[in-house]
Amino acid sequence: NAGVTQTPKFQVLKTGQSMTLQCAQDMNHEYMSWYRQDPGMGLRLIHYSVGAGITDQGEVPNGYNVSRSTTEDFPLRLLSAAPSQTSVYFCASSGTGQGAGQPQHFGDGTRLSIL
Amino acid sequence: AQTVTQSQPEMSVQEAETVTLSCTYDTSENNYYLFWYKQPPSRQMILVIRQEAYKQQNATENRFSVNFQKAAKSFSLKISDSQLGDTAMYFCAFLGGLSGGGADGLTFGKGTHLIIQP
Repeated sequence: NAGVTQTPKFQVLKTGQSMTLQCAQDMNHEYMSWYRQDPGMGLRLIHYSVGAGITDQGEVPNGYNVSRSTTEDFPLRLLSAAPSQTSVYFCASSGTGQGAGQPQHFGDGTRLSIL
Repeated sequence: AQTVTQSQPEMSVQEAETVTLSCTYDTSENNYYLFWYKQPPSRQMILVIRQEAYKQQNATENRFSVNFQKAAKSFSLKISDSQLGDTAMYFCAFLGGLSGGGADGLTFGKGTHLIIQP
């Protein structure tokens, strides 16, 4: 089972560049989300989706866009990268709806550096 | 908004000892879930244990157990017979908003770096 797959694993960008972090899951999970992890801090929620065509903002959404055209994919877009977006990004998914308190499955993370 | 506090930035114990990591949280909700995640140097987020707030019985998973004190809003993790492979960051996390489907995601503490010494 692949679980949650994130690509790329590492990326270096220059300020002002754009890029998309890819996330795919093969567990038919309805709920998907993106977190960022900064040094000395836990993970913070950026955006989430409760199903195809439905997205919403989390705690730190500024500078990021998301879309959910299929159940499997949930890409995160940086339109104009800033040094403050240097972080490790995690995608996560869970099944049967968050209301059941199902544990989230995490991808392996993407380390992103903005110069 | 909920907050999760882990007051021990780093802990170090000898192999085979028992260690307890502390976590407190603040919420006005009555129904929620609590989790402990382990993050080894490989960066993976690995679920250690889950506790449902409406269950009084403390969750256990092999060498890992929790002491859940709902009234005190405390959720500590006990690791028995610690092993070198337990060396990792440990994060406490809260999931609430269940009446709305719980879609707000997890709220994490800042983590405790646990080092198991040989």
